[in-house]
Amino acid sequence: GAVVSQHPSWVICKSGTSVKIECRSLDFQATTMFWYRQFPKQSLMLMATSNEGSKATYEQGVEKDKFLINHASLTLSTLTVTSAHPEDSSFYICSALSMGGREKLFFGSGTQLSVL
Amino acid sequence: EDQVTQSPEALRLQEGESSSLNCSYTVSGLRGLFWYRQDPGKGPEFLFTLYSAGEEKEKERLKATLTKKESFLHITAPKPEDSATYLCAVQDVHGGSQGNLIFGKGTKLSVKP
Repeated sequence: GAVVSQHPSWVICKSGTSVKIECRSLDFQATTMFWYRQFPKQSLMLMATSNEGSKATYEQGVEKDKFLINHASLTLSTLTVTSAHPEDSSFYICSALSMGGREKLFFGSGTQLSVL
Repeated sequence: EDQVTQSPEALRLQEGESSSLNCSYTVSGLRGLFWYRQDPGKGPEFLFTLYSAGEEKEKERLKATLTKKESFLHITAPKPEDSATYLCAVQDVHGGSQGNLIFGKGTKLSVKP
């Protein structure tokens, strides 16, 4: 089946630093990728939709200047958490939409971000 | 407003003890209902998609069913390796692509040997 690779798996950083998370679709082209945040025992919450070659669409309440999304190619989207603070600590997951035949969504393995 | 409620929040079973997980949903129009398995520290792994009431799908020890208000994930004779959090999500007909899935909080299943 299709694979979505997400790196890093976990990252610890100091407050005020920026962290970049990569999401790659390994065996299919994804014009659309998605970024989610998941707090312990909570639902996956969609943060933004990443469209190749255009600006990302952010969900209500998500700061676009804090969570920078770049979708520079059909197989790579990046999420940069700028000036991270402890409250940004969470599990971040990406997904990629495969359009071959019936639409199907594939998830990355997630990134656990801990901001000290 | 679209909503997905999963119950129970946690479920402990003995190996071989069959049970069911519930997913109640409210949507203006259902395009699809999805079940995922999520292991600790990992992303969701796709299990099933159900599109219309009365539909059923099976995979090994898992069977998913759908009505107009809820879905059940039946686990028959579970094994310890079935331990995971099971997520239910719905796609509203007005919600665009599958990226706009509305997720429940999940049911954490623990199967003891």
